[in-house]
Amino acid sequence: QVQLVQSGAEVKKPGASVKVSCKASGYTFTSYGISWVRQAPGQGLEWMGWISAYNGNTNYAQKLQGRVTMTTDTSTSTAYMELRSLRSDDTAVYYCARVARMYGMDVWGQGTTVTVSS
Amino acid sequence: QSVLTQPPSASGTPGQRVTISCSGSSSNIGSNYVYWYQQLPGTAPKLLIYRNNQRPSGVPDRFSGSKSGTSASLAISGLRSEDEADYYCAAWDDSLKVFGGGTKLTVL
Repeated sequence: QVQLVQSGAEVKKPGASVKVSCKASGYTFTSYGISWVRQAPGQGLEWMGWISAYNGNTNYAQKLQGRVTMTTDTSTSTAYMELRSLRSDDTAVYYCARVARMYGMDVWGQGTTVTVSS
Repeated sequence: QSVLTQPPSASGTPGQRVTISCSGSSSNIGSNYVYWYQQLPGTAPKLLIYRNNQRPSGVPDRFSGSKSGTSASLAISGLRSEDEADYYCAAWDDSLKVFGGGTKLTVL
């Protein structure tokens, strides 16, 4: 079945970087994009950006420009999201989601908790 | 402050019909499709409605979506206890995805 499995929880200090992985299975990885969405504790969903698994094109949310990088490894059907210069307000659950042209974000990963604390 | 505006809460009794609104602008809802997501407590969001009013396979027909101008709404009929969740609307806005702030639905 179509599945996105994310890497485990992370605890980071302010100023550090984190890289979250999202391994896809059950579909042709390069036929879809991957979006990343985060959710701070008790808050709503925030779209971080999108990457095409076909050609690597990216589109990032303005507020994260310069701190976020999204990549894919087509040999392992894995997407990555790296966030640098972490701050306490980056503490959140980070989700990856498959992006289908018709359906939008139709399959979601289980989420990865990133805690930024000194 | 979210680009799309939703009421923070909604409620209903079992069997009732409830609607959740989502208000935007000409650059998002007014010119792009609307999507709805359901997030049960402690779980990842799930696609509920795509392209304004289409249901993915497996989503009950109790859930329906509509759009008019720069607003959209999600209707849930025959409310059930398992519908208690957070609901989010979303749309593209100038190549960026925007979400509503979410509506917490309580089944009384």
